[in-house]
This record gives sequence, C-alpha cells and structure tokens, in this order.
Amino acid sequence: DVKVTQSSRYLVKRTGEKVFLECVQDMDHENMFWYRQDPGLGLRLIYFSYDVKMKEKGDIPEGYSVSREKKERFSLILESTSTNQTSMYLCASSPRGVLVEAFFGQGTRLTVV
Amino acid sequence: KQEVTQIPAALSVPEGENLVLNCSFTDSAIYNLQWFRQDPGKGLTSLLLIQSSQREQTSGRLNASLDKSSGRSTLYIAASQPGDSATYLCAVDGSGNTGKLIFGQGTTLQVKP
Repeated sequence: DVKVTQSSRYLVKRTGEKVFLECVQDMDHENMFWYRQDPGLGLRLIYFSYDVKMKEKGDIPEGYSVSREKKERFSLILESTSTNQTSMYLCASSPRGVLVEAFFGQGTRLTVV
Repeated sequence: KQEVTQIPAALSVPEGENLVLNCSFTDSAIYNLQWFRQDPGKGLTSLLLIQSSQREQTSGRLNASLDKSSGRSTLYIAASQPGDSATYLCAVDGSGNTGKLIFGQGTTLQVKP
C-alpha cells in the first residue's frame, strides 16, 4: 500500500513562530503536493514539486515556502505563523505518467494562537 | 478557470439504500477524475480514479462514471452501510496529467442504521 506520512497530527503554535510540516512518501513518487483545507473553501493547492529541488507555486502560496531535498520528503515551511494559517494541512503524492492517482497523508491540524 | 461542484452538500439515507453522489465540472478538458473519502478530522482516502478515456470504474460496492462532454461524474454506492458515513470528494486533474487537483466541496453522507 502507498503510504504518505505527515510528521504531526496536531500542532499548536503562537503567532510569529516558524513551523515545519514534514511529509514522507514510500512509493518513489515524483510528484508531491501541499494543500490546505478550510470549511467553506475546500482544498486549495499551496505548493507542489515534480522532482527533487523543484518547486512551483499553487493557488495560495503567500506566507509559505517549501523544500524538497530528497525525493521521498516534501516540507512545508511557515516562516512566521499568523492566525489565518490555522487550518488542516494535507500532503499528497502521485506518480508521473498515465495513471496519476493521488494519495494523501492523514493531515496536520495546525492551530495558531 | 475550472470549477468543480458537488450536489447535494449533505445526504442522509437509511441503511441498505442505493445512492448516487454527483460531481460536475465546468471545463471538459480533463485528464482524469478521482473520488475520495474523508472521515472527520482525517486525510483523504482514494476510492476510484477514472482516466479521461474511460467511462466508468468499479471497486466493490462503488461505481464511478464519467461523461466528459457533459462535465459530469457520479459515484454510485450500492447497499449503503453505516460505515459508509463520511464526506465524499471529487477532484479533477485538468493540468496535463500533472496530479494537480481541483476539488469540489464534497458531499457529507450519513447512513442511518
């Protein structure tokens, strides 16, 4: 089974703190993604990566950055958290090719106080 | 810009009933469509992936259909069970089979014993 693992299920941080959300996949997938999910807004793409050291902005990249130093790991970085970044963060991976099925991690619920 | 709509937003049915969840999208130029299940506070579980050249996919009691020309997909659940209670999300990949997904808002299903 494909496994996408996010480092934390729940996080509580104070405004202005730096936060790293880690995601690891074990299926040698080329593509990795970070989404956030908010009530009434659904899932929105923050950043994605098609290969090691490659990154591209999604629909809502402001306030976030990412790092992909190894193929299996994709990190989301919140340099200085704000309360409007309180959300559910979801990591996903998918292979490159014809059958591009996405698999998601269990999610990280981040609360910024 | 691609938009994905799921109607109804919520659905409650008695156990054993067959049901259909609807998904519509505004741009028919998609590469694939994926149905997910999400339990409260959890990540997304992939249910079915339909490639643009396919009309339907089946997995157990689930059957998903795709009509690209009309911009519609349906998820049919046969003989519903209380364990099917969850939010069901559809997502389309319209960006060249890259894995970047655009999601609907989901249908929250409750199956009553």
